[in-house]
Amino acid sequence: AQSVTQLDSHVSVSEGTPVLLRCNYSSSYSPSLFWYVQHPNKGLQLLLKYTSAATLVKGINGFEAEFKKSETSFHLTKPSAHMSDAAEYFCVVSDTGNQFYFGTGTSLTVIP
Amino acid sequence: DTAVSQTPKYLVTQMGNDKSIKCEQNLGHDTMYWYKQDSKKFLKIMFSYNNKELIINETVPNRFSPKSPDKAHLNLHINSLELGDSAVYFCASSLLDRAGGYTFGSGTRLTVV
Repeated sequence: AQSVTQLDSHVSVSEGTPVLLRCNYSSSYSPSLFWYVQHPNKGLQLLLKYTSAATLVKGINGFEAEFKKSETSFHLTKPSAHMSDAAEYFCVVSDTGNQFYFGTGTSLTVIP
Repeated sequence: DTAVSQTPKYLVTQMGNDKSIKCEQNLGHDTMYWYKQDSKKFLKIMFSYNNKELIINETVPNRFSPKSPDKAHLNLHINSLELGDSAVYFCASSLLDRAGGYTFGSGTRLTVV
């Protein structure tokens, strides 16, 4: 069975400081992992994805995530937060089937 | 240029009414989905269609009936709307290959009054 746990429901950072959004997963297979962002009243936008290639994945807007199999983690990071990064972030895991499992989301607040 | 488009964007209706939400994708994907996002932002899959055939049907009241006339369209019809149906509904599409991820529509905010 697959599942995703986003360890923080809310994260606040100051503008210009690093961002860390944590995600742990469980999967019976070699999973594909994704991070999506949702800005207020907008749809979900794909930030980045891991599909069994390089374990450090670079995405859009300066975000990256590292797949750590031993820790079953796929944390999202960014070196320096911008005000425009304030949004809801979803970690998603997919198995060999056609099912995608969403985390419950982490709300990121960026303080000026 | 819109990859996954769903209409309407906002829908306000009274309890007991029947309404539909339409979804179309122009990405050549063969699988389409409906997700419901509740007030706590949690996304729950409702249905998935692959090449017009239903492949995922989660525990959803039978008042909800998806219809896929072709693999580029997946519409959602809801009968006898209830207050608890108020949510944001997202359409998405993907290839059957798990590596592609989803492409989402911008959502339909349904409010039942």
